[in-house]
Amino acid sequence: SQKIEQNSEALNIQEGKTATLTCNYTNYSPAYLQWYRQDPGRGPVFLLLIRENEKEKRKERLKVTFDTTLKQSLFHITASQPADSATYLCALEELAGRRALTFGSGTRLQVQP
Amino acid sequence: GAVVSQHPSRVICKSGTSVKIECRSLDFQATTMFWYRQFPKKSLMLMATSNEGSKATYEQGVEKDKFLINHASLTLSTLTVTSAHPEDSSFYICSARNPNLGRGISNYGYTFGSGTRLTVV
Repeated sequence: SQKIEQNSEALNIQEGKTATLTCNYTNYSPAYLQWYRQDPGRGPVFLLLIRENEKEKRKERLKVTFDTTLKQSLFHITASQPADSATYLCALEELAGRRALTFGSGTRLQVQP
Repeated sequence: GAVVSQHPSRVICKSGTSVKIECRSLDFQATTMFWYRQFPKKSLMLMATSNEGSKATYEQGVEKDKFLINHASLTLSTLTVTSAHPEDSSFYICSARNPNLGRGISNYGYTFGSGTRLTVV
């Protein structure tokens, strides 16, 4: 089974800077890698999905990379704002079987004004 | 599109009672829904996969008699925590896979309910 590691439990950055979050996984199987935002007491909200044959995906101030050789995804928020403060979850969806998501433990991002 | 409504958002119950949590897909049909639980500052752990018209598939270590799942229609899945105890206190979240995924429409991934905070006293 997959093991997902987000090696920063918390990240504090200054407003306007770029936040970079890391997600590493152990096993390999064809998968979609997804990033979610979770605010306290709420369910996760989908942000971006990247397929195994894609290197990079962008959406507004967000950018995700997927390196299947390193088994790693990087999630960037450029020009960060205090409203970006939340927990960000990395998740893998394997393309076989029940296709549920396996989540990392999350990185709590705090953007200081 | 692809909204999942979860109810109730918060419930407090006495030890030994049962609690039902509902998860509805509002504008799409979900043949499969997933139930997760989340402890404070921890990640989401998959409990079971709910399949419309058939038995749920439980993850290893999850008691099927404790956490009863019913998926009687294409838009409704329920999780009942039976004979709840304080250790069942947690944040329970359901999700469904966005039906538009893979059809060339923007990649919406999975849609999650807003979660249910269960406190057993």
